[in-house]
Amino acid sequence: DAGVIQSPRHEVTEMGQEVTLRCKPISGHDYLFWYRQTMMRGLELLIYFNNNVPIDDSGMPEDRFSAKMPNASFSTLKIQPSEPRDSAVYFCVSSLGTAYNEQFFGPGTRLTVL
Amino acid sequence: KQEVTQIPAALSVPEGENLVLNCSFTDSAIYNLQWFRQDPGKGLTSLLLIQSSQREQTSGRLNASLDKSSGRSTLYIAASQPGDSATYLCAVWWDAGNMLTFGGGTRLMVKP
Repeated sequence: DAGVIQSPRHEVTEMGQEVTLRCKPISGHDYLFWYRQTMMRGLELLIYFNNNVPIDDSGMPEDRFSAKMPNASFSTLKIQPSEPRDSAVYFCVSSLGTAYNEQFFGPGTRLTVL
Repeated sequence: KQEVTQIPAALSVPEGENLVLNCSFTDSAIYNLQWFRQDPGKGLTSLLLIQSSQREQTSGRLNASLDKSSGRSTLYIAASQPGDSATYLCAVWWDAGNMLTFGGGTRLMVKP
């Protein structure tokens, strides 16, 4: 398996623009998580899905953030409008069976909002 | 508040040295604890996962221990190598939680 795939790997955009981050989890994994990593706050869970259904989105910082998982092999995290403070590395993670199991991280998308 | 702390934030050792990385957590009611490695500009790679009923896990030169009562875990790296240089993070699933809580990480540098 190719592991968790994220695109793009790097994104530079201007404040106010819409940003869409994409993720393909490991086939067969039924949990998908979106994390954000910054120097100041470390790793934070934004939202996670089980069998394509959002389970907990309490980590989503604002209404500007939204996430979808239309099928088992694809998820998006959208920021609209983007702000400079959204600059971070966004990781997509998948796990098999339960949310407690070993978590497999994607390579991340480094987002820079100017 | 449930928190995970890793001290020190950075560590530099000569090659060949055995070393211990520390992780502490504020609530002993954990489901499991994971140790991850992160290389610069990369995602996290899971190294070891310890269930709450376990005391330790081993993989190659790595050994992770868990002491729930004291709220501590250690990652022991034997015979360190320059290739071990990375940031090591521990993370906890709490019993009553719904997310993995990460420590701030320890940045390890192993000098040749």
